[in-house]
Amino acid sequence: DAKTTQPNSMESNEEEPVHLPCNHSTISGTDYIHWYRQLPSQGPEYVIHGLTSNVNNRMASLAIAEDRKSSTLILHRATLRDAAVYYCILRAYSGGSNYKLTFGKGTLLTVNP
Amino acid sequence: DSGVTQTPKHLITATGQRVTLRCSPRSGDLSVYWYQQSLDQGLQFLIQYYNGEERAKGNILERFSAQQFPDLHSELNLSSLELGDSALYFCASSPSSQGAEKLFFGSGTQLSVL
Repeated sequence: DAKTTQPNSMESNEEEPVHLPCNHSTISGTDYIHWYRQLPSQGPEYVIHGLTSNVNNRMASLAIAEDRKSSTLILHRATLRDAAVYYCILRAYSGGSNYKLTFGKGTLLTVNP
Repeated sequence: DSGVTQTPKHLITATGQRVTLRCSPRSGDLSVYWYQQSLDQGLQFLIQYYNGEERAKGNILERFSAQQFPDLHSELNLSSLELGDSALYFCASSPSSQGAEKLFFGSGTQLSVL
């Protein structure tokens, strides 16, 4: 399975932008880049995903490098509610029409008031 | 609320016992995924079903088994339980199993094996 590498932890101040990096140097052409986050005592929650182009939604932006070997999740204005573990995941083709979603360790984001 | 329902929320049992965890996917979702989360291993993919058929297998022990029923709900059976099986078990669902689809996770079942 293609792997991702993220920093163990990051810290941010409230209302400032946050850039969460992810390296995925062994990504293949059919792998989708997904980001999920997990708030304390909750199940993971979808944030955003992309294949080749940068993506924006109401929660965040995803910037994908041209060679697709890295990506960055951007929270434009962090709030205390954004404190969570953020997972960068490659949704990898596993045969037929199936794509597996394998989580790594993630980045623990702390947001300071 | 993700629309995925897991029961029970908490389960306490003893070593050697057998338990069944239940998951009801979002309405219309055909794929169900099971994950195990422990402090030292993080979120581990166990198994995936699509419309009643097994589609992918991860790090699922032989003591564990799962199935998806015609009404699309799924059950994860854990037998001969050991202390190390204590973990949070999450179920997720998606419409099919395409790469661009997002997964919706339930709030999990906390299993404690004493």
